[in-house]
Amino acid sequence: DGGITQSPKYLFRKEGQNVTLSCEQNLNHDAMYWYRQDPGQGLRLIYYSQIVNDFQKGDIAEGYSVSREKKESFPLTVTSAQKNPTAFYLCASSWGMNTGELFFGEGSRLTVL
Amino acid sequence: AQTVTQSQPEMSVQEAETVTLSCTYDTSESDYYLFWYKQPPSRQMILVIRQEAYKQQNATENRFSVNFQKAAKSFSLKISDSQLGDAAMYFCAYRSARSGGSNYKLTFGKGTLLTVNP
Repeated sequence: DGGITQSPKYLFRKEGQNVTLSCEQNLNHDAMYWYRQDPGQGLRLIYYSQIVNDFQKGDIAEGYSVSREKKESFPLTVTSAQKNPTAFYLCASSWGMNTGELFFGEGSRLTVL
Repeated sequence: AQTVTQSQPEMSVQEAETVTLSCTYDTSESDYYLFWYKQPPSRQMILVIRQEAYKQQNATENRFSVNFQKAAKSFSLKISDSQLGDAAMYFCAYRSARSGGSNYKLTFGKGTLLTVNP
């Protein structure tokens, strides 16, 4: 079945450590996105990528980094510079940038101890 | 910048009844997309319904329908014959129809938590 796979689903991290969240899709979508979800805040865009080897900052990119070396993969690194990293992270993809609809993974819950 | 406002943090409905969730948005553009996404306790976001701004006809998907009022910048979701499985967080989202740069992103409201009572 086609879809978006995020891993791990739950992750615990000590302060000062970097952590990478994986996002893989087999939908042959060109565009991929990372959103952060906090209670009462809705979803906020961290980074997005329209094509391989290209990505753009979203609204809250500080303290995060991404790469897009393959069409299928868009990993997100939460660095030690992110002041409040505990959150639920959602990866999404879309056919291109013109269809509007996003398909989402099941999310990753990051907790900083 | 576009903004999306959901003024009802929580709503409840009796099973088999009808409920309407409100959404307003702010934009200076004339062509755009609007969406309602559902996030059940599993937390995976699922598209419920979409509306293209250039279409006057309101979108419908089975028990889900929208009331799209372009002039008022309002996009409400009506759920008919509510079922227990409809209980979830519902997000309204906006996307520009223009190409390029940050126009591609979806802007989400803060969500409405819907409870369905048996």
